[in-house]
Amino acid sequence: AQSVSQHNHHVILSEAASLELGCNYSYGGTVNLFWYVQYPGQHLQLLLKYFSGDPLVKGIKGFEAEFIKSKFSFNLRKPSVQWSDTAEYFCAVFNTGGFKTIFGAGTRLFVKA
Amino acid sequence: DTAVSQTPKYLVTQMGNDKSIKCEQNLGHDTMYWYKQDSKKFLKIMFSYNNKELIINETVPNRFSPKSPDKAHLNLHINSLELGDSAVYFCASSLFASVLPGEQYFGPGTRLTVT
Repeated sequence: AQSVSQHNHHVILSEAASLELGCNYSYGGTVNLFWYVQYPGQHLQLLLKYFSGDPLVKGIKGFEAEFIKSKFSFNLRKPSVQWSDTAEYFCAVFNTGGFKTIFGAGTRLFVKA
Repeated sequence: DTAVSQTPKYLVTQMGNDKSIKCEQNLGHDTMYWYKQDSKKFLKIMFSYNNKELIINETVPNRFSPKSPDKAHLNLHINSLELGDSAVYFCASSLFASVLPGEQYFGPGTRLTVT
């Protein structure tokens, strides 16, 4: 069965530290990839997405992610985090064959001021 | 203007009761979803409708019944509520897979607590 793995469940960083959150998926066919963010008490919002083309995609608020097809990975990065980045981050994979989006278990990021 | 709205935002009820959650989107999308987010924040698809037609029906107890009166609305009715149904339920919408596959807009969530 298709699955999405986020390796870090909890991450604690100080402001200005660099961030990388891992995401791997198991589906071998064509996929579209997403990162969603859920700020405390809020709903999920799209951070960035990859459909095709340049595997390095840039999203809102200085986030970027790199699609590495050979590694089935779509890691999220930010060079310098801010306290306001404290949130839950979800990687999601859309299986173009099954028309279904599978979400990872989420990574809770806490940024210390 | 709210893109995807859900009512109620909070729902506290007793075991055995029947309750409904409503969802509406004004984005002109033709596909809508219900997700369940448990206490560990794990997000799992329950149902998906495209143009009022059920296209995804995950392994969900048949106490849960979605209803889509039109493509802008997707309601969730739950019969005989159980303690394990306590969670946050998110509605989402998107354009059909052929347009922007997988990009979804989420509602604010409904926190259901069963006592």
